Amino acid sequence: EAQVTQNPRYLITVTGKKLTVTCSQNMNHEYMSWYRQDPGLGLRQIYYSMNVEVTDKGDVPEGYKVSRKEKRNFPLILESPSPNQTSLYFCASSLRGGGIVTDTQYFGPGTRLTVL
Amino acid sequence: DQQVKQNSPSLSVQEGRISILNCDYTNSMFDYFLWYKKYPAEGPTFLISISSIKDKNEDGRFTVFLNKSAKHLSLHIVPSQPGDSAVYFCAASFNDMRFGAGTRLTVKP
Repeated sequence: EAQVTQNPRYLITVTGKKLTVTCSQNMNHEYMSWYRQDPGLGLRQIYYSMNVEVTDKGDVPEGYKVSRKEKRNFPLILESPSPNQTSLYFCASSLRGGGIVTDTQYFGPGTRLTVL
Repeated sequence: DQQVKQNSPSLSVQEGRISILNCDYTNSMFDYFLWYKKYPAEGPTFLISISSIKDKNEDGRFTVFLNKSAKHLSLHIVPSQPGDSAVYFCAASFNDMRFGAGTRLTVKP
């Protein structure tokens, strides 16, 4: 089954404790992206990756890191989480990204993060 | 700077009637527009899209209209069904994708 998976689905942590949210897709997609969803603000892009070893900042990259060492995985790293990073996070992938037409993105189920 | 705006946070419609969800954008470079639907505890799923070279795209009960001069698009659902109750996100893309804040649609039986 074609899908985007995220782990963990729920996480409660404390300020300053490094954490990683994993994202994996099995569709051989080139483009992967991380979003956070906050009430009244919709989905805001954190980082995206056009292909292996190619990553770029989105709208709200501060406090986050990503890596794309392999095509299928795109982990989101919070080196020193803070309470303002409490949010619902979505990973997404699409066949391609950028250019004249952007392919439909497929979203993971979301990770609800609470930073105390 | 929200380049894509959905000004109605919620909409309630009677089953069988038309639901109209609206979306405005500010960046004239956007050339592809999409609607995503999101149920609780799930990720958004693609619903329908439209390229900037068109002004209408229809898929079953769902139709998206694009008015480029007004920088406005809308999603029409006819007839609305209770299973359509969800949060609907409008998205616009050029090199990357921007989302609106979402509109929560409730379809009452």
